[in-house]
Amino acid sequence: DTAVSQTPKYLVTQMGNDKSIKCEQNLGHDTMYWYKQDSKKFLKIMFSYNNKELIINETVPNRFSPKSPDKAHLNLHINSLELGDSAVYFCASSQEKGRQGGFNQPQHFGDGTRLSIL
Amino acid sequence: QKEVEQDPGPLSVPEGAIVSLNCTYSNSAFQYFMWYRQYSRKGPELLMYTYSSGNKEDGRFTAQVDKSSKYISLFIRDSQPSDSATYLCAMSPSISSGSARQLTFGSGTQLTVLP
Repeated sequence: DTAVSQTPKYLVTQMGNDKSIKCEQNLGHDTMYWYKQDSKKFLKIMFSYNNKELIINETVPNRFSPKSPDKAHLNLHINSLELGDSAVYFCASSQEKGRQGGFNQPQHFGDGTRLSIL
Repeated sequence: QKEVEQDPGPLSVPEGAIVSLNCTYSNSAFQYFMWYRQYSRKGPELLMYTYSSGNKEDGRFTAQVDKSSKYISLFIRDSQPSDSATYLCAMSPSISSGSARQLTFGSGTQLTVLP
């Protein structure tokens, strides 16, 4: 009963290819995120969707395009892969609407997709 | 200068030791403070979550926030080999600021607890 699941876990591909990573959450959350973690373990947000609407779009090359078919799924498509795209990509989710007491809700992460560009 | 600074370590301690992990930050708008634990080849797992200044205790873990110094700490008592992981601090502004959903992470501290 994995809460946030990503596929594939590992992705090894050639420079210039196009690839997609999929994410699904079964927590009933309304907000999902994509993060990139570099080799030094630094986690940086890329995108966030709330109820299928893009709400965070950080300075990311437009080769990266997120898509949210419904609030339980958030996919990431990457065109023309480059060497610098090699990293671990994490999906996360949280519940934003209806939070109590005005508190931010913590984010729950998947186990990551390890992307290696040859 | 990064918004959140965290000593990357690595930090090695003997089993049973008290571990202190710290982050400093520069953005005074941060109100929510979290500690995540990340095992090798796994995603970050939420460990502690606090709002504003003060202490919070959960079992062997204590989180402290000192907003006046812009400094947060995580203490682990009676450390165990199973605590060996990378610990990431994360923080975000209050909801009214409009950036509530955006977490800013430290770079993580790698901890090894030796049996």
